[in-house]
Amino acid sequence: GENVEQHPSTLSVQEGDSAVIKCTYSDSASNYFPWYKQELGKGPQLIIDIRSNVGEKKDQRIAVTLNKTAKHFSLHITETQPEDSAVYFCAASKASGGSYIPTFGRGTSLIVHP
Amino acid sequence: DTEVTQTPKHLVMGMTNKKSLKCEQHMGHRAMYWYKQKAKKPPELMFVYSYEKLSINESVPSRFSPECPNSSLLNLHLHALQPEDSALYLCASSQLAAETQYFGPGTRLLVL
Repeated sequence: GENVEQHPSTLSVQEGDSAVIKCTYSDSASNYFPWYKQELGKGPQLIIDIRSNVGEKKDQRIAVTLNKTAKHFSLHITETQPEDSAVYFCAASKASGGSYIPTFGRGTSLIVHP
Repeated sequence: DTEVTQTPKHLVMGMTNKKSLKCEQHMGHRAMYWYKQKAKKPPELMFVYSYEKLSINESVPSRFSPECPNSSLLNLHLHALQPEDSALYLCASSQLAAETQYFGPGTRLLVL
């Protein structure tokens, strides 16, 4: 089955710095890669996603890159703000019986210090 | 509207109780999911419903019983749970055969 590794497990930055979270996956059939942000006491919220036919996608301060050959994908947050503090999960998905089932990484706790 | 709602937000139950968790979405999604999330861990898939039919059961113990009465509602019936079942239970939904899942806020369950 799919295996997703996520690093680092904890990331502490100063407000205004950039943050980068990296993930690797093992199954070359995976073709959809969402990133979720989970704040304390809340459910995961989709913040950005990328499909395997795209190398990079950007949405304001957030960007995701995908290297299919190396099976790496990364989340980049620029100009971090205290409200970016949360746990971030990467995931790798492929179609399975009509559904896309994500395999999640273990999560990165991002702390942005004011 | 990308909202999935879940009730109750918090639930405390004894090991002999029977309770139910409820999930609702009005986005026209025909796939719905139950996940279990322990503290500091990623969500773990429990069940998948497609067109109101159970399509995936990830070998979940029978003390968890899912039900999908219609395309907007998903229930999880709980009976004779163990303390280790204490967790955040998340519901999600998606368009059928679509990649993106939208999560609800979860129900925080404590089993005493």
